[in-house]
Amino acid sequence: QLQLQESGPGLVKPSETLSLTCTVSGDSIDRTTYDWGWIRQPPGKGLEWIGSIYYSGRTYSNPSLKSRLAISVDTSKNQFSLQLGSVTAADTAMYYCARHMYHENFDSWGQGTLVTVSS
Amino acid sequence: QPVLTQSSSASASLGSSVKLTCTLNSEYINHIIAWHQQQPGRAPRYLMKLESSGRYNKGSGLPDRFSGSSSGADRYLTISNLQSEDEADYYCETWDSDTRVFGGGTKLTVL
Repeated sequence: QLQLQESGPGLVKPSETLSLTCTVSGDSIDRTTYDWGWIRQPPGKGLEWIGSIYYSGRTYSNPSLKSRLAISVDTSKNQFSLQLGSVTAADTAMYYCARHMYHENFDSWGQGTLVTVSS
Repeated sequence: QPVLTQSSSASASLGSSVKLTCTLNSEYINHIIAWHQQQPGRAPRYLMKLESSGRYNKGSGLPDRFSGSSSGADRYLTISNLQSEDEADYYCETWDSDTRVFGGGTKLTVL
């Protein structure tokens, strides 16, 4: 059974870099069928797609975040990661990782991790 | 890029039916969407994929009470025989090229 688990610091200072990792179990991240994505949800608000990555390392992302964003994959650890630079309070959110096929919907979600940006 | 519009809230009585709407902008009238449910304090859960034809493909274990339909740019999620656990936020999702978007979500209250 597929499971995705987000991990990383729950508190990040303004102007620093937010770093999260998603560990995948029950599926191989280098299976060619799927892409792996990040979505966030500010408190009390809706879902926002951040970006996605294919096992080969090909990434695509939300234009509004692209300049601050890096997504990477480590197939040896069956993990993919998110780095968001120059964070502000507006980046405070629950961050989810999820699986999807390219040009298909997200079909499995992690439980999410709350990241607060505060000094 | 695609834009999805949802009403912010809806309500219906226990045991009744409710139809939630997700509307695509006109350029993307034939796009496939997906519906996701987010119960309070929980992660989203994939419900179904819905085509412009009205054909839908449900996620594993989803009760028959949940169904989908389409009309023009509108994509619907109908929940029959409403249960208390259906009280949740419902989001639609779509994609185009290297872009993915969510609707603003509808908060469903079961009375």
